[in-house]
Amino acid sequence: NAGVMQNPRHLVRRRGQEARLRCSPMKGHSHVYWYRQLPEEGLKFMVYLQKENIIDESGMPKERFSAEFPKEGPSILRIQQVVRGDSAAYFCASTGQGTQPQHFGDGTRLSIL
Amino acid sequence: QKEVEQNSGPLSVPEGAIASLNCTYSDRGSQSFFWYRQYSGKSPELIMSIYSNGDKEDGRFTAQLNKASQYVSLLIRDSQPSDSATYLCAVNGGDDMRFGAGTRLTVKP
Repeated sequence: NAGVMQNPRHLVRRRGQEARLRCSPMKGHSHVYWYRQLPEEGLKFMVYLQKENIIDESGMPKERFSAEFPKEGPSILRIQQVVRGDSAAYFCASTGQGTQPQHFGDGTRLSIL
Repeated sequence: QKEVEQNSGPLSVPEGAIASLNCTYSDRGSQSFFWYRQYSGKSPELIMSIYSNGDKEDGRFTAQLNKASQYVSLLIRDSQPSDSATYLCAVNGGDDMRFGAGTRLTVKP
């Protein structure tokens, strides 16, 4: 499968735990974007990364959230000390160049108990 | 602030009709424009890309771009119940891509 791969598809955490969401971009893509979507709402941009660099994190909450895209391996979105309000679908998208369309993974549905 | 606005919807059309989805954007430097379809509980799926003024047709879908008016639209001909979804307009200015809030389309049999 050469598409954008996200895992896990579903993640359940208790309040105060950490959540790690992974995204492997499409083959040949070096730009990764993370979005959050609440039920019945639109996509909310969180962060844009290239290999080893955060390009734009203007949509990411200042506390508890972090993202990385290391030289080797998938991009990781990390949420520390999760709260109920973090429950959402988190989508990753990738592209080869800035003006090309983004291709989305299937998302990770995060539920906080 | 770079904005992408879509008609709020929801939009309901009868099966076989033409569905018209509209989008305006604020950044005159925008270079590429996309329409995504998102079924409930699924991820957005790219259905159309358009880069220059005019119309681009792909099957029952036609994207229209007017850069002077900063307007992009999607027409769906012969609408089918399977077209019922939320349609997202996305605009790329070169350094970022902005999504509209989406328009929910329902095609009634």
